[in-house]
Amino acid sequence: SQTIHQWPATLVQPVGSPLSLECTVEGTSNPNLYWYRQAAGRGLQLLFYSVGIGQISSEVPQNLSASRPQDRQFILSSKKLLLSDSGFYLCAWSSGGDTDTQYFGPGTRLTVL
Amino acid sequence: GQNIDQPTEMTATEGAIVQINCTYQTSGFNGLFWYQQHAGEAPTFLSYNVLDGLEEKGRFSSFLSRSKGYSYLLLKELQMKDSASYLCAVVDSNYQLIWGAGTKLIIKP
Repeated sequence: SQTIHQWPATLVQPVGSPLSLECTVEGTSNPNLYWYRQAAGRGLQLLFYSVGIGQISSEVPQNLSASRPQDRQFILSSKKLLLSDSGFYLCAWSSGGDTDTQYFGPGTRLTVL
Repeated sequence: GQNIDQPTEMTATEGAIVQINCTYQTSGFNGLFWYQQHAGEAPTFLSYNVLDGLEEKGRFSSFLSRSKGYSYLLLKELQMKDSASYLCAVVDSNYQLIWGAGTKLIIKP
């Protein structure tokens, strides 16, 4: 069966510091991968998605970037965090089939102080 | 623009039935998802509708009317563990997933 991992689970970072969040998927090949952010009490905002290694589409211009160095690894980065980057970061995968259901990792709660 | 509307919050009693509505205006339609999200946790998949009608899955059912741009999630025999947010999401003509803000469901004993 497929599993998706994210780490760290929680993170507290000062403004201006760098960020690296990692997501890995097991049990599937060539998944579509997604990064979302969820502000407190709000809906999901799609940040990036990838249909293959090195292929990244950005949905929202911001100080974040994403990379996919391996088939089942997706990384979210920032060189300098802003207060507004605080939130719940979720990675998801889908198979790209007919229904293309997205399955989410456990998430990383980021607080920028 | 694209828009998904859901009530912000609903309250129901343990053992009762509750219906959570979702209306959408999107550029095209290629399916509708419902997800459950407990506080502090990730969303989990509940149901997918692409054709009109009712899909039943245990205590949960999901209905779709494409002509009305409308769906609902029906939860029967409510349990305290059903307290969560319920997210409606629509697949548009570009196969992008458009998310609603979610409905927070509070179950009272």
